[in-house]
Amino acid sequence: DAKTTQPPSMDCAEGRAANLPCNHSTISGNEYVYWYRQIHSQGPQYIIHGLKNNETNEMASLIITEDRKSSTLILPHATLRDTAVYYCIADNAGNNRKLIWGLGTSLAVNP
Amino acid sequence: DAGVTQSPTHLIKTRGQHVTLRCSPISGHKSVSWYQQVLGQGPQFIFQYYEKEERGRGNFPDRFSARQFPNYSSELNVNALLLGDSALYLCASNLYAQETQYFGPGTRLLVL
Repeated sequence: DAKTTQPPSMDCAEGRAANLPCNHSTISGNEYVYWYRQIHSQGPQYIIHGLKNNETNEMASLIITEDRKSSTLILPHATLRDTAVYYCIADNAGNNRKLIWGLGTSLAVNP
Repeated sequence: DAGVTQSPTHLIKTRGQHVTLRCSPISGHKSVSWYQQVLGQGPQFIFQYYEKEERGRGNFPDRFSARQFPNYSSELNVNALLLGDSALYLCASNLYAQETQYFGPGTRLLVL
């Protein structure tokens, strides 16, 4: 079973920030939180990842709570092209690595 | 730079047949992983290879096998195809076994 839970769907207005939550209360101390998105059954696209600290790149920001039990992916100015399924994954990035994916959040960005 | 490439893009097979899917990683990447994604579900991990050795295996039957070549490309083989094997098969590559995985466009397999 996936170690992460996400809401099945969300809506966002174009130009507004999209805040996608993820719960990972059973995450281990050495597991990273990774975010990917998938558009129209194409290959998943890497967005961002983090361990303890908040992270930001050209695509998004990742806010991880201090207890590491949850995180939020922020798309600061959502566009129609951000409509996709967003996956939050706990990754041990270890020798016996197995990425376990849940169902993700289907984000609809509306004009 | 070229990303992860997979071939073929689409494939139709009948039950009982065998299929070989191919993946070329990003140049310089030494690790390749395979995932199966059935419609409406998240990807499911099948295998990870690093430096031609299997580093991880998901909960799939022995009908599924893979290998990695000296140039780091990889093949996924599925024998005795079942209808339930119909899915999008994804390949991901990363520089080293523990680092961020980047995905290819996938191969869509339909088993009739």
